[in-house]
Amino acid sequence: QVQLVQSGAEVKEPGASVKVSCKASGYTFTSSEIIWVRQAAGQGLEWMGWMNPNSGYTNNAQKFQGRVTMARDTSISTAYMELTSLTSDDTAVYYCARNREGLQLWGQGTLVTVSS
Amino acid sequence: QSALTQPRSVSGSPGQSVTISCTGTSSDVGGYNYVSWYQQHPGKAPKLMIYDVSERPSGVPDRFSGSKSANTASLTISGLQAEDEADYYCCSYAGTYNFVFGGGTKLTVL
Repeated sequence: QVQLVQSGAEVKEPGASVKVSCKASGYTFTSSEIIWVRQAAGQGLEWMGWMNPNSGYTNNAQKFQGRVTMARDTSISTAYMELTSLTSDDTAVYYCARNREGLQLWGQGTLVTVSS
Repeated sequence: QSALTQPRSVSGSPGQSVTISCTGTSSDVGGYNYVSWYQQHPGKAPKLMIYDVSERPSGVPDRFSGSKSANTASLTISGLQAEDEADYYCCSYAGTYNFVFGGGTKLTVL
């Protein structure tokens, strides 16, 4: 079954970091780009960044420069997104998606709550 | 990178057609034929409805169609059905491995 399975919900204090994983199965992980998107409650979709799992090359939205790191482990077909210096504004559902003829395959989403 | 501009809401009666617009610039929508559209029901992950401006993924009804003129892309839904009620987002490639989403449009089926 072709799917992306993300790690579970996280609760973090302000100033902490969070690392979300996204495990691909059912297709060749290195054949398609991975996109990270987030959505705060009641808000729209926000593009965070892009990764080529084959080369490891990444590009992040300017808004997150210096705070987000995207990586992958091809041996276990898993992509990672780490966001640092968390504030309450980072409370959102974080999605990974496979970019192949549009974002056809999405993870289930990971709720990250930032609260003291 | 500014978000693409979409109407906050649109509505239509069952059987009617509605069109949702998505306005960007020559650096995104107008510069590339990589506009996609997503449907999102409450509490669910987005679902791809249109890619590359007007291409429909397998399984998406042909009631959904996409087009583009200059810096504005459009999603048209014909023969509205109750299950089409959802939020819709456009997304465009913006060059150098950058993407941008629209602010989203809430579709109400009356």
